[in-house]
Amino acid sequence: AQKITQTQPGMFVQEKEAVTLDCTYDTSDPSYGLFWYKQPSSGEMIFLIYQGSYDQQNATEGRYSLNFQKARKSANLVISASQLGDSAMYFCAMRDPQGGSEKLVFGKGTKLTVNP
Amino acid sequence: GAVVSQHPSRVICKSGTSVKIECRSLDFQATTMFWYRQFPKKSLMLMATSNEGSKATYEQGVEKDKFLINHASLTLSTLTVTSAHPEDSSFYICSASPPGPGELFFGEGSRLTVL
Repeated sequence: AQKITQTQPGMFVQEKEAVTLDCTYDTSDPSYGLFWYKQPSSGEMIFLIYQGSYDQQNATEGRYSLNFQKARKSANLVISASQLGDSAMYFCAMRDPQGGSEKLVFGKGTKLTVNP
Repeated sequence: GAVVSQHPSRVICKSGTSVKIECRSLDFQATTMFWYRQFPKKSLMLMATSNEGSKATYEQGVEKDKFLINHASLTLSTLTVTSAHPEDSSFYICSASPPGPGELFFGEGSRLTVL
């Protein structure tokens, strides 16, 4: 069963505007971690933001914020003031609570294109 | 922040040969490292968990004799693609985590092309 769902294969946003990338997850474990990574065309994976399941507040890192709605099991990424350099693939991931290790389960990704 | 380095970033080889990819944690010790494979425009698929000093744990459907993993030290894990075939052409990426909870750090990735 798919544990991480990203329903938006592609998204477009105008430069300087905000954009929300959707992510829903499925787990029965009360303790889990949610991550967002950016992958530019070069292929490297860049960590953006982390949300722990017990964190009371939504995580924020500069222009990135995570809209964490635990009851809905959603962890949407919000990018404010989009820049051309934000164009990339974005992956939502969850630390697999059943794995007993630090491995991540990834969603299929969303390709974000920022238009000038 | 913590850095994970992969080498080589690109490799082209002939069918039937073996290719080794290295993953190093540069400023922390990693008892566990992870190897992922990514097909074009697809998500990352976990191949195996590399454990220092013991055998790797492979995900279902991944051939352990095909993808040899060696984690001989706390800062180095290697993935060897044996008897490579064109269908093994892919982007391979490793990750590691410093001790304690927190983010995983990824290497730069290695693009393998088998002719």
